[in-house]
Amino acid sequence: SQTIHQWPATLVQPVGSPLSLECTVEGTSNPNLYWYRQAAGRGLQLLFYSVGIGQISSEVPQNLSASRPQDRQFILSSKKLLLSDSGFYLCAWGSHYTEAFFGQGTRLTVV
Amino acid sequence: RKEVEQDPGPFNVPEGATVAFNCTYSNSASQSFFWYRQDCRKEPKLLMSVYSSGNEDGRFTAQLNRASQYISLLIRDSKLSDSATYLCVVNLVGFKTIFGAGTRLFVKA
Repeated sequence: SQTIHQWPATLVQPVGSPLSLECTVEGTSNPNLYWYRQAAGRGLQLLFYSVGIGQISSEVPQNLSASRPQDRQFILSSKKLLLSDSGFYLCAWGSHYTEAFFGQGTRLTVV
Repeated sequence: RKEVEQDPGPFNVPEGATVAFNCTYSNSASQSFFWYRQDCRKEPKLLMSVYSSGNEDGRFTAQLNRASQYISLLIRDSKLSDSATYLCVVNLVGFKTIFGAGTRLFVKA
């Protein structure tokens, strides 16, 4: 069966520091991969999605970037974090027509 | 206009009540539809898929109206454990999965 791993679960970072969140998927090939962010008390905002290695689509201009160096690996990065980057970051995978499956999320607090 | 819009809520209902959530989507090329449930500080989890013919899973009924670009979720005989945020989800052609902002439900004893 397919599983998705996301880490770390929680992270506290100072303003201006870099960020790297990693997500890996097992048990499937060529998945669509997604990064979402959820601010406190708000809905999910789609940040990036990828349909294949090296193929990244960005939904909103922001302080973040994403990369997909391998078929089942999706990385979210920032060179310099802002306070507004705080939130609950969720990685998900899916395929055409099916539902999305989520990792357990990373709760990021920028201080 | 947002791609997926939901009732903002929150909905506060007593146990045993029937509650309905609505959702509209803007892209007529949308291909598949789902309702997710999200508990506080947890990742969203699939509640049920939504089919044009309508589908039911126990106390939950989902319906899709493609002509009106409208999705609904009905919960009958609400339980305390139904308290959560319910997210409407739309898959666009090929690969893009869009979530609504969610509707919070509080079921009270």
